[in-house]
Amino acid sequence: EDQVTQSPEALRLQEGESSSLNCSYTVSGLRGLFWYRQDPGKGPEFLFTLYSAGEEKEKERLKATLTKKESFLHITAPKPEDSATYLCAALPYNNNDMRFGAGTRLTVKP
Amino acid sequence: NAGVTQTPKFQVLKTGQSMTLQCAQDMNHNSMYWYRQDPGMGLRLIYYSASEGTTDKGEVPNGYNVSRLNKREFSLRLESAAPSQTSVYFCATSIRRGGYYEQYFGPGTRLTVT
Repeated sequence: EDQVTQSPEALRLQEGESSSLNCSYTVSGLRGLFWYRQDPGKGPEFLFTLYSAGEEKEKERLKATLTKKESFLHITAPKPEDSATYLCAALPYNNNDMRFGAGTRLTVKP
Repeated sequence: NAGVTQTPKFQVLKTGQSMTLQCAQDMNHNSMYWYRQDPGMGLRLIYYSASEGTTDKGEVPNGYNVSRLNKREFSLRLESAAPSQTSVYFCATSIRRGGYYEQYFGPGTRLTVT
């Protein structure tokens, strides 16, 4: 069965303390691996799409990487405004049913 | 350019009542989706529409119906609401740009069924 697991569930960092969020996926052929940011009471905001192992994408303090079984979202020198829930999702080749992880809730303290 | 809009923002229903959640987009995207989000769980796909006139079931379609009225609008109907349908519902669109898929979400509808 297609599934996505994110860890940790919650992460608290001090401002400037770099870290990584993990997304493990099991899908029947990966058509795309997606990262989103979700603020409380809002819809998910698209960040990145990755397609093949070894691929990397960057946006400001965020960098997403992809292996054959996992994706990582690296946060470098985070700021309080990076506090949000980060969602990972995998799109299988054989259907359009994107599978989402439960998310990692990131809190960055000043 | 409003992106993806959803109405209503909040709704409380009694068990057995019906309602339709509305979604509209001005992004000219062909694909549209309905998801539900429950605490501690990932977003789950209810229905998907690749283009006007076509719809497909997702992971959790039971108890819901959809209509793709035109390219802009995709509605979700609950015929007889149940407490298990208490959730936050998100509409989304997607486009393939430069070989990469991008997906955009609306602000959500918070539904409570008592």
